[in-house]
Amino acid sequence: EVQLLASGGRLVQPGESLRLSCAASGSTFSSFAMTWVRHAPGKGLEWVSDISDSGGSTYYADSVKGRFTISRDNSKNTLYLQMNSLRVEDTAVYYCARCCALDVWGQGTTVTVSS
Amino acid sequence: DIQMTQSPSAMSASVGDRVTITCRASQGISTSLAWFQQTPGKVPKRLIYAASRLQSGVPSRFSGSGSGTDFTLTISSLQPEDSATYYCLQHSSYPRTFGQGTKVEIK
Repeated sequence: EVQLLASGGRLVQPGESLRLSCAASGSTFSSFAMTWVRHAPGKGLEWVSDISDSGGSTYYADSVKGRFTISRDNSKNTLYLQMNSLRVEDTAVYYCARCCALDVWGQGTTVTVSS
Repeated sequence: DIQMTQSPSAMSASVGDRVTITCRASQGISTSLAWFQQTPGKVPKRLIYAASRLQSGVPSRFSGSGSGTDFTLTISSLQPEDSATYYCLQHSSYPRTFGQGTKVEIK
């Protein structure tokens, strides 16, 4: 059974960058696609991005397209989310999960964008 | 983009009640739909996948049905621990979309 551990969230100012990581263990990470989902305070769940098992295909929500980049290093069993030009509205708990029906989730990491 | 319209947005019911939550997709998604439960401060938990398949370990009072555009999550006998927010998710096409959520409270 795969376990996921997200990290990297912190307080940043608008316009800054941040990289989130999601370390996988317990299964063959390179065999499955991965997802980032976020949950902003007082709002519902929002799908952010997917990446294929090889990393060759990526997909983004319109709200983050052009600012966020999903990637993975299968040799390190790690998923990443590079977030640039952060906005106040990007404030959320960010979860990594196994794509695509999201059967396994990491515990979440909190990103706060505030001046 | 596929829109997922979930209803109701909130509800209150008594222990033992039968609860039904619906999600309607703006276009057909076959059975590429999952249901999640989330309590405050906790990680979302998948209850149902492929529209009607019960996730291992989830109580049998939870069930899902539907295909195409109309889907239902049913709790056959509401329990106190079922107080939570429930979301549907379509993963038929990109961008993936969640329903707006249904907050279920216990009377």
